[in-house]
Amino acid sequence: DAEITQSPRHKITETGRQVTLACHQTWNHNNMFWYRQDLGHGLRLIHYSYGVHDTNKGEVSDGYSVSRSNTEDLPLTLESAASSQTSVYFCASSKNTGELFFGEGSRLTVL
Amino acid sequence: GEDVEQSLFLSVREGDSSVINCTYTDSSSTYLYWYKQEPGAGLQLLTYIFSNMDMKQDQRLTVLLNKKDKHLSLRIADTQTGDSAIYFCAESYGGYNKLIFGAGTRLAVHP
Repeated sequence: DAEITQSPRHKITETGRQVTLACHQTWNHNNMFWYRQDLGHGLRLIHYSYGVHDTNKGEVSDGYSVSRSNTEDLPLTLESAASSQTSVYFCASSKNTGELFFGEGSRLTVL
Repeated sequence: GEDVEQSLFLSVREGDSSVINCTYTDSSSTYLYWYKQEPGAGLQLLTYIFSNMDMKQDQRLTVLLNKKDKHLSLRIADTQTGDSAIYFCAESYGGYNKLIFGAGTRLAVHP
């Protein structure tokens, strides 16, 4: 069965370290998204991609970067982790509709 | 900018109806969505409504759309304990593929 997986599911890191969260989908979807979920804010869009080599900034992109070298993967990198980036991160993918398929989330704690 | 607002918490008795409300700002949204998030999981699409519709019914779920007031509601009939979850309202903007989510309404169902 097609799926979308995120790794790691849990990560603790220190301020200033670089962190990469992986996202891999086997749906063959063109569109991939990274959201962060924080209490009281819901899901906020960090970055998104509509295809290979395409990346776009979302509403909370500062301090994050993504790259799309193939259809299946959209890794999210925190260049220098900050405590404000402690959150639950969700990756999602879609064909060309608003039906997003979400991973199970990656909980990141920055100490 | 685009914004989606919903109340954060709703408590109902098992067997009663639940009504979750949402307001949105982008009148050009083509589709509006309801997603469900169960504990420890990613979001899953529950239902959606096309912007030229007033109502959509799907088994126990009824979606009502008031375009004039930019108000969307989700009614769950005969609410069960398995319906306990966080429900997110979302609107599409910039095309079908990009969604902006509300903060989510946590539905608690008690006996």
